[in-house]
Amino acid sequence: GQNIDQPTEMTATEGAIVQINCTYQTSGFNGLFWYQQHAGEAPTFLSYNVLDGLEEKGRFSSFLSRSKGYSYLLLKELQMKDSASYLCAVRGGSNYQLIWGAGTKLIIKP
Amino acid sequence: DADVTQTPRNRITKTGKRIMLECSQTKGHDRMYWYRQDPGLGLRLIYYSFDVKDINKGEISDGYSVSRQAQAKFSLSLESAIPNQTALYFCAAGQGDEQFFGPGTRLTVL
Repeated sequence: GQNIDQPTEMTATEGAIVQINCTYQTSGFNGLFWYQQHAGEAPTFLSYNVLDGLEEKGRFSSFLSRSKGYSYLLLKELQMKDSASYLCAVRGGSNYQLIWGAGTKLIIKP
Repeated sequence: DADVTQTPRNRITKTGKRIMLECSQTKGHDRMYWYRQDPGLGLRLIYYSFDVKDINKGEISDGYSVSRQAQAKFSLSLESAIPNQTALYFCAAGQGDEQFFGPGTRLTVL
């Protein structure tokens, strides 16, 4: 079956660093995505990994290990506006469409 | 201007009613998607379309139908709404790896 696991909720302090993990088991794999979703709003694209390694984009970085079925999203220099849910999604399965995790709600405290 | 728009933004209806949710996009993306989001669950794919003549079932298509009237328009219908279809519905459009989401339609079925 298809399964994507990520923590339900995390708390971090403004200015700090936080790592949000995602593990997956899918019948096929053609890329892993991270999206950000503020409460009551639409998800917006953050990053895409298809090869192993780290992709850095400003304060956000995403890592992938295909052999371990594992990814993480690293957020540096946290700001209050980073309070949101972070959604991990894998393009896989029989139709290579996105399979989504339930999301990690990140709470930033001053 | 938003790339993807959805109407209505909110809708309350009764069991057994027929409901149509509409989605339009302005960027000429070939691919369009309908998802539903429920608390504690990941986004789940209902239907997707790669062009005007292409319609594909997603993970949870039962009880739903779609129409791709033009490249820019993709509508979702609930022929006979039931309470467990109460959810937040998102339309998305994309060309390659990234999907652009509409603002969502919050549907309540009483």
